[in-house]
Amino acid sequence: AQSVAQPEDQVNVAEGNPLTVKCTYSVSGNPYLFWYVQYPNRGLQFLLKYITGDNLVKGSYGFEAEFNKSQTSFHLKKPSALVSDSALYFCAVRVPRRTTSGTYKYIFGTGTRLKVLA
Amino acid sequence: DTEVTQTPKHLVMGMTNKKSLKCEQHMGHRAMYWYKQKAKKPPELMFVYSYEKLSINESVPSRFSPECPNSSLLNLHLHALQPEDSALYLCASSQVFGGAPDTQYFGPGTRLTVL
Repeated sequence: AQSVAQPEDQVNVAEGNPLTVKCTYSVSGNPYLFWYVQYPNRGLQFLLKYITGDNLVKGSYGFEAEFNKSQTSFHLKKPSALVSDSALYFCAVRVPRRTTSGTYKYIFGTGTRLKVLA
Repeated sequence: DTEVTQTPKHLVMGMTNKKSLKCEQHMGHRAMYWYKQKAKKPPELMFVYSYEKLSINESVPSRFSPECPNSSLLNLHLHALQPEDSALYLCASSQVFGGAPDTQYFGPGTRLTVL
């Protein structure tokens, strides 16, 4: 089955320290991967995506993610965490729909709550 | 303008009520989506409209009825809901559906409570 996994329910990091939020995927074919952030009672905000090309993708708010094909991972990173980065982070993968050819669906991970401590 | 707006922000309804959720975008996007998100869970796709036509219905119960009156508007009509339908309903849009992987832009959601 095609899926995406976020193995950590919560990540705690001190302000100013580097942060990593993990994501692994299992898809057939080339993976199209996304990271979104969700603040309390808000919709999801797009951070970055990987389609092809450079394995290091830079996104919004200083975030970046590294695509690693051999480890089937797409971890989200930031060199120096801010308290305002505290939120819920979702990794997502686009996969073809089995029932309707030529269309796709987005599978979201279960989310990782990032808590940046002052 | 990269904003997707949703109204109302909060909605409380009884099981016999009829209500509608509204979503609007002015980015010229031709794909619009409805997601349902339960607390502490990831969003789950409900419907996809592409060029104002329903492309995907993820086996959603008929008490949820989507409508896309034009390329900027997406409605979700609600009737005879159950308490377990209480959730955050998210609307999203993207330039197109399918083809090159496209970024979805999400609205802030409507928090629905069914009594």
